Amino acid sequence: AAGVIQSPRHLIKEKRETATLKCYPIPRHDTVYWYQQGPGQDPQFLISFYEKMQSDKGSIPDRFSAQQFSDYHSELNMSSLELGDSALYFCASSEAGTTTSEQFFGPGTRLTVL
Amino acid sequence: AQSVTQPDIHITVSEGASLELRCNYSYGATPYLFWYVQSPGQGLQLLLKYFSGDTLVQGIKGFEAEFKRSQSSFNLRKPSVHWSDAAEYFCAVAPTDSWGKLQFGAGTQVVVTP
Repeated sequence: AAGVIQSPRHLIKEKRETATLKCYPIPRHDTVYWYQQGPGQDPQFLISFYEKMQSDKGSIPDRFSAQQFSDYHSELNMSSLELGDSALYFCASSEAGTTTSEQFFGPGTRLTVL
Repeated sequence: AQSVTQPDIHITVSEGASLELRCNYSYGATPYLFWYVQSPGQGLQLLLKYFSGDTLVQGIKGFEAEFKRSQSSFNLRKPSVHWSDAAEYFCAVAPTDSWGKLQFGAGTQVVVTP
């Protein structure tokens, strides 16, 4: 079965650089969620999109932005990277419209900021 | 403030023994409840979820969880663990009016010994 695809799987950046993480949801899923998991931490919700519109917002820094495109894939753009941005970034997708919709998580992108 | 508490950071269990992981939540109203498992370097996989109805929920991989409203708990159990159950387990909750926004507990690391 198709799963959530995230690219790249690993990314190394320098401080103050920018990074773009991509997420391709499961086919027919119209909702995408982004989470950040710091070392030894639990995943923290960043932002979500439904039908290309932002549906909810969590603890996402102003330096980060995200969007969902017409094909439902999503990109998380991170600027002025800081050491503390080093984390595992998960994308999840779900099919809205059902009360029991499950979030399917991708394998994550591990971002290391040097 | 809304919170999810997993009191046990680390649990060691012998293969074949039973396992119980605790989860308590503090919310204004009963949220939706989930248990996820994360193997090293992997994404999060949903084990089971509770939305309403029967308070004993069956999940994948032989796991079950019991919702107890009076104790604000949603403990995960498995009668007999396998070495492959070694992983980190996260309890998560989502408000019923914004259930896509998962809030995770700190996680419980499970080690399985021969």
